[in-house]
Amino acid sequence: EDQVTQSPEALRLQEGESSSLNCSYTVSGLRGLFWYRQDPGKGPEFLFTLYSAGEEKEKERLKATLTKKESFLHITAPKPEDSATYLCAVQLNTGNQFYFGTGTSLTVIP
Amino acid sequence: NAGVTQTPKFRVLKTGQSMTLLCAQDMNHEYMYWYRQDPGMGLRLIHYSVGEGTTAKGEVPDGYNVSRLKKQNFLLGLESAAPSQTSVYFCASREPGHLNEKLFFGSGTQLSVL
Repeated sequence: EDQVTQSPEALRLQEGESSSLNCSYTVSGLRGLFWYRQDPGKGPEFLFTLYSAGEEKEKERLKATLTKKESFLHITAPKPEDSATYLCAVQLNTGNQFYFGTGTSLTVIP
Repeated sequence: NAGVTQTPKFRVLKTGQSMTLLCAQDMNHEYMYWYRQDPGMGLRLIHYSVGEGTTAKGEVPDGYNVSRLKKQNFLLGLESAAPSQTSVYFCASREPGHLNEKLFFGSGTQLSVL
């Protein structure tokens, strides 16, 4: 059964305290892995797409990496405005459907 | 550009009532999706469409119907609402093709069924 698991469920960091969020997946055939950010009361907003093991993408304080079994979203020196829920999703080789994890709720304390 | 627009933003129904949620996108995207988001369950796919006039079932299609009569619109219908359908509903759209598959989401519809 295709499965996407995110950990931790919730994470509280002091401003400037770096950490990583995990997305592990068990799927029959991975086409791509996606990271989204979701603010309260809003729809998810795209951050990154990763297609092959070893690939890395960066944007400001965020860096996403991919292995054959999991992806990490590294947050370096976070700021309060990075507080949000971070979702990962996998796209299978069949192409049309995306399966989402339950998300990590990040709170960055000033 | 407005992107993906969902109406209404909030709705309260009584058990057994029907309603239609409207999703409109102005990006000329081929693919459109309806998801529901529940605490602890994440986003789950209800139905999707790969083009005008086409629809397909997702993970949790029971109790819902959809129509894609125009490319820019994707409608989600509840024929006889049940309390289990209380959720936040998100519409999304995207272009087909490799390396260009990110989803664009609307801001959601909060539905409560009493």
